[in-house]
Amino acid sequence: NAGVTQTPKFRVLKTGQSMTLLCAQDMNHEYMYWYRQDPGMGLRLIHYSVGEGTTAKGEVPDGYNVSRLKKQNFLLGLESAAPSQTSVYFCASSWSPDSFQETQYFGPGTRLLVL
Amino acid sequence: AQTVTQSQPEMSVQEAETVTLSCTYDTSENNYYLFWYKQPPSRQMILVIRQEAYKQQNATENRFSVNFQKAAKSFSLKISDSQLGDTAMYFCAFTIYNFNKFYFGSGTKLNVKP
Repeated sequence: NAGVTQTPKFRVLKTGQSMTLLCAQDMNHEYMYWYRQDPGMGLRLIHYSVGEGTTAKGEVPDGYNVSRLKKQNFLLGLESAAPSQTSVYFCASSWSPDSFQETQYFGPGTRLLVL
Repeated sequence: AQTVTQSQPEMSVQEAETVTLSCTYDTSENNYYLFWYKQPPSRQMILVIRQEAYKQQNATENRFSVNFQKAAKSFSLKISDSQLGDTAMYFCAFTIYNFNKFYFGSGTKLNVKP
């Protein structure tokens, strides 16, 4: 049982490049989330999903897109990276209909540097 | 609107002593869950303790306990017998009954001194 995993762990991009961050969970969770964490700040929600095939915007969605084609995966895309997107990105998941599990579990984070 | 406030950006405590981290929140909902997460230098977010709002009894997990005051919308975390490994950022969070959004405070940086 790996929990929540994120790929890659670290990436350096040049301004204008694109990339996709992958999040996977094996806990049969319905809800998945992408957050960003900047130095000295808490977590800010980028996008989230309440089920396979559904996504919704969080508080800082601009410049990002997401997809949830499979229940266990949640992808975060940057179409044209900007230095302001330099951050640590966390994926999280919660809510299993099997166990009524409301707690949110986090992946280890992806550190992204945009030059 | 749902908000979480952690008014102590940074705290220090001596090893083996007790420290309390404050958290207040605002919601008009009646059914919700409250959490404390720990983020050590490794950056991994680790669940420390959770509390159901409908339960009057305060949650306890080993050296960690909470003081939940529902009327005051206060949810403080007490760490007893502080250890060096407790050095981390601590985030207070809550989710309302449908669980599809979590609200986080800005964090308290705790430094445990030897």
